Amino acid sequence: KQEVTQIPAALSVPEGENLVLNCSFTDSAIYNLQWFRQDPGKGLTSLLLIQSSQREQTSGRLNASLDKSSGRSTLYIAASQPGDSATYLCAVRREGTYKYIFGTGTRLKVLA
Amino acid sequence: DAGITQSPRHKVTETGTPVTLRCHQTENHRYMYWYRQDPGHGLRLIHYSYGVKDTDKGEVSDGYSVSRSKTEDFLLTLESATSSQTSVYFCAISESTLAKNIQYFGAGTRLSVL
Repeated sequence: KQEVTQIPAALSVPEGENLVLNCSFTDSAIYNLQWFRQDPGKGLTSLLLIQSSQREQTSGRLNASLDKSSGRSTLYIAASQPGDSATYLCAVRREGTYKYIFGTGTRLKVLA
Repeated sequence: DAGITQSPRHKVTETGTPVTLRCHQTENHRYMYWYRQDPGHGLRLIHYSYGVKDTDKGEVSDGYSVSRSKTEDFLLTLESATSSQTSVYFCAISESTLAKNIQYFGAGTRLSVL
C-alpha cells in the first residue's frame, strides 16, 4: 500500500531564507508526483508536476526534484516571502491508475 | 480557478439524513474526483470518475456513493449521514493526456453532521 509522508509537519523561517520541503513515498511504481499549495480555508493549487521519467521541474522561485528509486521528492523555495506562508502538500499518482495518494502536508510560515 | 464549482459551500445536517454534494466543471475534463480532508489524515480519495457513468472507489468509499450522468457534473451522496462524515469535501478534475495530468481543485464544501 502506498504511503506518502511529509516531514516536518510545520516549519517557521525568516523572510529571505531558502528552504526545502520533503516528501517521501513507499512504492516507487508511480506515474507522477505533484506539489500543491493550500491557503487556509481554500482549495489546493497545483504548483509543479513531475512525471516519473523526469528529475526536476522549475517554476519561478520553486524547484521540485524527484528521485523515484529512493522514494523521495523535495520542493525547494528560494528567497522565501511572507506570501509563501501556506500548507504544501505532495501527491503521487500510482502507475496504472488515476488515483492519487496525498501526504499530510507541511505548514509553512515565513516571518517578515 | 479552473472552472470548478462546488455546491453547497457549507452545510449542517443531522445524523441519518441523506446529503448530496455537487461538483460542476466547465472544462470538459474527463476525470473527476471526490476527496475528504480531515486533520491528521490529509486528503483521502473517496471516489473518482473516468467518464460518464464510469466510476471507481477510492480508499474511504464506505458510506458514500457517486453518480456522473453528464461530463460536467459529479455528485457525491451520503445515503445516511454520520458524525464521522463531518469533514471538508473537495472535488478535483484532471485531463487524461500525459502532459496535462494536473489536478485542479474546487473551493471545498464544509459539512457538519450533528
